[in-house]
Amino acid sequence: EPEVTQTPSHQVTQMGQEVILRCVPISNHLYFYWYRQILGQKVEFLVSFYNNEISEKSEIFDDQFSVERPDGSNFTLKIRSTKLEDSAMYFCASTRTYVRSYEQYFGPGTRLTVT
Amino acid sequence: QQQVKQSPQSLIVQKGGISIINCAYENTAFDYFPWYQQFPGKGPALLIAIRPDVSEKKEGRFTISFNKSAKQFSLHIMDSQPGDSATYFCAASSPPSGSARQLTFGSGTQLTVLP
Repeated sequence: EPEVTQTPSHQVTQMGQEVILRCVPISNHLYFYWYRQILGQKVEFLVSFYNNEISEKSEIFDDQFSVERPDGSNFTLKIRSTKLEDSAMYFCASTRTYVRSYEQYFGPGTRLTVT
Repeated sequence: QQQVKQSPQSLIVQKGGISIINCAYENTAFDYFPWYQQFPGKGPALLIAIRPDVSEKKEGRFTISFNKSAKQFSLHIMDSQPGDSATYFCAASSPPSGSARQLTFGSGTQLTVLP
């Protein structure tokens, strides 16, 4: 069964450094998302992406965040200057069509630790 | 108004028992209510979902009950098994202003099913 994959599984970085989290959505999916989950808390929406542009973004998704689909398979989340409070699990998700955009398939996540 | 409130935070059930997790929402624009199951180290996985035009949906041992007037919905796990031990998130989604839906998650319920 097709699945969303994410790399790396765990990233440790120093405060102020840039990190790029990578995702490979399911191959015939067209809509892509990033969510984050701070340890022990709920999953929070960051951004949705369609047709090579941001569809919606939350208040969390400020100027330090950016997303990109650099080729036909990868979807990336860049955090320009990491802060301690960016430590969280970051999940990528994808859906196939607009009509079924409520059925989101999540990857296993990247645990980001900012020290 | 975008929040989804979930209870209880944790639940311990004996094998064979019924697990019940409750969620409540305020935003009447929500029109899709999924439940996600998350095992440690994994991303959330869609378990079952309901639209507000039906009061109940059953898939195997999992049932969603929906009360539109009370703006509440619940997940019932019948004949709970140790393999059901996981964190369960309710979520809600409204028609997107952009191209794709975002999910608003509840705070999660950690279910432990004792053998």
